[in-house]
Amino acid sequence: AQSVSQHNHHVILSEAASLELGCNYSYGGTVNLFWYVQYPGQHLQLLLKYFSGDPLVKGIKGFEAEFIKSKFSFNLRKPSVQWSDTAEYFCAVKGTGRRALTFGSGTRLQVQP
Amino acid sequence: EAGVVQSPRYKIIEKKQPVAFWCNPISGHNTLYWYLQNLGQGPELLIRYENEEAVDDSQLPKDRFSAERLKGVDSTLKIQPAELGDSAVYLCASSSQTSSTPYNEQFFGPGTRLTVL
Repeated sequence: AQSVSQHNHHVILSEAASLELGCNYSYGGTVNLFWYVQYPGQHLQLLLKYFSGDPLVKGIKGFEAEFIKSKFSFNLRKPSVQWSDTAEYFCAVKGTGRRALTFGSGTRLQVQP
Repeated sequence: EAGVVQSPRYKIIEKKQPVAFWCNPISGHNTLYWYLQNLGQGPELLIRYENEEAVDDSQLPKDRFSAERLKGVDSTLKIQPAELGDSAVYLCASSSQTSSTPYNEQFFGPGTRLTVL
């Protein structure tokens, strides 16, 4: 079975601070990895995804994530956060052949102006 | 392009009452998902349809939950009877899957927030 752990449940940062949100997954085979974001009052939307190739993937709004296979990790980063990045962030994994995603429990990011 | 539409957005019912949620996926998307999201948790899959066929319903509590997607477009998720523990957000998502594209992005609707009193 596949699972995802997000260790940071609530993160509070000041604007311009750097961000790194942890994501570790458990799955015995090839995986596809995703970060979704949910802004207040809005629906889930895809931030970035990793399928294969370059383990450093870039997404929308200046976010990036690095897949480290040896650590089963897919951490999300942004060098300088903005107040508008306040949202809940979900890491998700999809194993080969499966169609549905397995989500982590989410990290609530609060950026203070 | 219209996104995934869900209704109602909010529903408050008393326990033991029935409730139904409706989802209209993005036009042309053949795969439809229903997820359950409890407070402080990530979404969990309830059921996945490819066209009108339910291809993964292993997490659907079939004693009280049912779903249908009769014409391979809209879908309805029903709970009968509802229990206090069913209070959650029910999310619908859709994607376009083909044999040559094992994964395409899932687009999520706004969800239906259910409160069972």
